[in-house]
Amino acid sequence: GAVVSQHPSWVICKSGTSVKIECRSLDFQATTMFWYRQFPKQSLMLMATSNEGSKATYEQGVEKDKFLINHASLTLSTLTVTSAHPEDSSFYICSALTGTGAEKLFFGSGTQLSVL
Amino acid sequence: QKEVEQDPGPLSVPEGAIVSLNCTYSNSAFQYFMWYRQYSRKGPELLMYTYSSGNKEDGRFTAQVDKSSKYISLFIRDSQPSDSATYLCAMRPRAAGNKLTFGGGTRVLVKP
Repeated sequence: GAVVSQHPSWVICKSGTSVKIECRSLDFQATTMFWYRQFPKQSLMLMATSNEGSKATYEQGVEKDKFLINHASLTLSTLTVTSAHPEDSSFYICSALTGTGAEKLFFGSGTQLSVL
Repeated sequence: QKEVEQDPGPLSVPEGAIVSLNCTYSNSAFQYFMWYRQYSRKGPELLMYTYSSGNKEDGRFTAQVDKSSKYISLFIRDSQPSDSATYLCAMRPRAAGNKLTFGGGTRVLVKP
């Protein structure tokens, strides 16, 4: 299957700082990427859909100014958690489409964010 | 009530046994059904993908969809300790692009 690289895999930061998470499609071009949040023992919650060259589409209840998404190229999308607080601590996962159809959706390895 | 319900487990089975997993859902518009395997602190990996009702087999994995009952299943034959993971079902309507609705996941433990 296609490879989606997510970096970093683990980050610890102080409250009030910003953290950037990168999601790269290594062997294909992804016009659409998705960002999810997952709490322990809970399901993936879609945060936003990231489209190359345009603004991200956020799900209801997700703060746009809090979670900045940039999809500047066909192989890279970034999620920046601004002014992070302890309640932002979570596992963040990205996914990318290699084509149409859900079977073409591949996930990154996730980023565990811990805000002190 | 959640759109997709999945027993969180843990489901513990001896090595070699059949693992039986299932999800129920309430949205009759769901047409595409997926099963993902997720190891701890890793991203989900697609195992099975089915469209509408019926069965699909791939190696040790069999996926079943019963749309009349709004019930999907995943069976893992000859389970191995390496199958120990969390299994997530996911589904979407025909016209939802690729926005999936996930179940909460079932944690499976295969004991040697």
